[in-house]
Amino acid sequence: AQKVTQAQTEISVVEKEDVTLDCVYETRDTTYYLFWYKQPPSGELVFLIRRNSFDEQNEISGRYSWNFQKSTSSFNFTITASQVVDSAVYFCALSSYKLIFGSGTRLLVRP
Amino acid sequence: NAGVTQTPKFQVLKTGQSMTLQCAQDMNHNSMYWYRQDPGMGLRLIYYSASEGTTDKGEVPNGYNVSRLNKREFSLRLESAAPSQTSVYFCASSEALTGGANTGELFFGEGSRLTVL
Repeated sequence: AQKVTQAQTEISVVEKEDVTLDCVYETRDTTYYLFWYKQPPSGELVFLIRRNSFDEQNEISGRYSWNFQKSTSSFNFTITASQVVDSAVYFCALSSYKLIFGSGTRLLVRP
Repeated sequence: NAGVTQTPKFQVLKTGQSMTLQCAQDMNHNSMYWYRQDPGMGLRLIYYSASEGTTDKGEVPNGYNVSRLNKREFSLRLESAAPSQTSVYFCASSEALTGGANTGELFFGEGSRLTVL
């Protein structure tokens, strides 16, 4: 069975703080993909990143970085120097043949 | 530049009524999906269609039916709506499943907010 756990329901930070969103997954598949999506207050879902199970290299994109560790089945997302525009719900997702989402973490960045 | 288009965007139903949510994509994707989003539950997969002519159950298929009318269109039907089906519904599409793995980014529609009284 597949499962994605985002234990942090809601996080509140002050602008310019760094924040890490946790994601832990379960799967028996050896080939799988991990994703992060952002859902701003407007409601649409925005793709942020995809990683495959064979690539544990961390990735950085501007203020965003992702840490994938197969040993702990985690795929954590860090926002450096957070901004108010980062306020959104962030979803981690796991895919082998079906894309399964975690319950999401609501991030509130206060000015 | 349409991407994934869902209709209607809002709908209010009475218990027992039926309705169909329509979804169309113009990206020539083979795979299409229906998710529902409820507070604190994230997105849960209702049904998906790996390719034209095939459909499969997701995590929460009860009370729903789907039709993959052609490559572009994937509809979701509620035969007898219940208050528990009050939710926001998202349609999505992606490139073909490869080797059993969904490798592609999902492109989502804007969502359809359904209220069942």
